Amino acid sequence: AQSVSQHNHHVILSEAASLELGCNYSYGGTVNLFWYVQYPGQHLQLLLKYFSGDPLVKGIKGFEAEFIKSKFSFNLRKPSVQWSDTAEYFCAVNAYSGYALNFGKGTSLLVTP
Amino acid sequence: ETGVTQTPRHLVMGMTNKKSLKCEQHLGHNAMYWYKQSAKKPLELMFVYSLEERVENNSVPSRFSPECPNSSHLFLHLHTLQPEDSALYLCASSQDPDSSGANVLTFGAGSRLTVL
Repeated sequence: AQSVSQHNHHVILSEAASLELGCNYSYGGTVNLFWYVQYPGQHLQLLLKYFSGDPLVKGIKGFEAEFIKSKFSFNLRKPSVQWSDTAEYFCAVNAYSGYALNFGKGTSLLVTP
Repeated sequence: ETGVTQTPRHLVMGMTNKKSLKCEQHLGHNAMYWYKQSAKKPLELMFVYSLEERVENNSVPSRFSPECPNSSHLFLHLHTLQPEDSALYLCASSQDPDSSGANVLTFGAGSRLTVL
């Protein structure tokens, strides 16, 4: 069975600090990888995805993530966070051609002015 | 608005009640999903339908009963729930996995359920 592990449950940063959120998964086959974001009081939104090709993918709002196959990792990064990035971030994985999207527990990010 | 609409947004029910959650998608997708989001736990996949046929069922108690009358509508019928079933229930939709093996889920805002 697939599992997704997010290392940080709560992160507090000051504005302009750099962000890196860790995500590791366990699955032996080909996978698709996602980061979703849930802003306070809002629905889950897709931040970025990796299906194939360049392992460095760019998403909305200046976020990027790097797929490192040998490490089973898909870490999320942003060079300079803003107060508006305060949200919960979820890493998710599904098997190639599979329907089920398996999520990590999420990381709550608080950005202080 | 995401294109996936869930009603009601909030529901309070007793353990002996029968209620239903409704989801409608306006994106022309083929697949629909129910997820449960509880505090401090990963989102749990409950059911997946593709073209009105159930393709995944993750050991969900029978007090939760899904119904997918067409590819745009999905229901979750609730009967004799327990307080631990209180959670945010999320509906999502997607296309079927394409030739590249990928599908992207679009989520609704959720129905917040409280069982007394």
